[in-house]
Amino acid sequence: VQLVESGGGLVQPGGSLRLACVASGFTFSDYEMNWVRQVPGKGLEWVSYIRSAGDKTYSADSVKGRFTVSRDNAKNSLFLEMDSLRAEDTGLYYCARGDIAYGLKYWGRGTLVTVAS
Amino acid sequence: QSVLTQPPSMSAAPGQKVTISCSGSPSNIGKNLVSWYQHLPGTAPKLLIYETNKRPSATPDRFSGSKSGTSATLDITDLQPGDEADYYCGTWDNGLSPGGIFGGGTKLTVL
Repeated sequence: VQLVESGGGLVQPGGSLRLACVASGFTFSDYEMNWVRQVPGKGLEWVSYIRSAGDKTYSADSVKGRFTVSRDNAKNSLFLEMDSLRAEDTGLYYCARGDIAYGLKYWGRGTLVTVAS
Repeated sequence: QSVLTQPPSMSAAPGQKVTISCSGSPSNIGKNLVSWYQHLPGTAPKLLIYETNKRPSATPDRFSGSKSGTSATLDITDLQPGDEADYYCGTWDNGLSPGGIFGGGTKLTVL
């Protein structure tokens, strides 16, 4: 199982980024997926969840209305569209497989997002 | 989303036992299973305990999880220097704004 995130970088406040997570080693379309972030100096924060078929999503209140999670099962890919970015969105963004209550067993290595002018 | 409360830091000597608590509410721990993660900065978090009290094959049996009501605990026995890390509990919250939640994390120092 491998999860590889990409798309991070430096962006100005109010800007946008699209993160991607490419999965391999398992049947991607069978599994729920999540985005989790770690803000510098702080703990883990769950960001978004998407059901295996992509028909249901949930997001943290802190990103609701600004971030959109989606997936392309044909391309084994998970996405996070991030709009209206704020300084407090700066952090390392991980994709993780599963349901947090049942356990997120597989994680990527993360992609760094920096929001600064 | 609601908050899961963990002690910010704990410390113990090698060979001792530590218990990390995770306090939640009826809408999260009270209704759902709990997972625990070990995290070293710069690395991906590692799943330690899933479905409240189950261990992945890679987790030593020195680690155990449990839940009672709206609180969960992670016990670590026979503490090793390599256990020094940040530990997080996680679960789902079924409240007004459903979603995943993590505890604030506990920094464990092995003296």
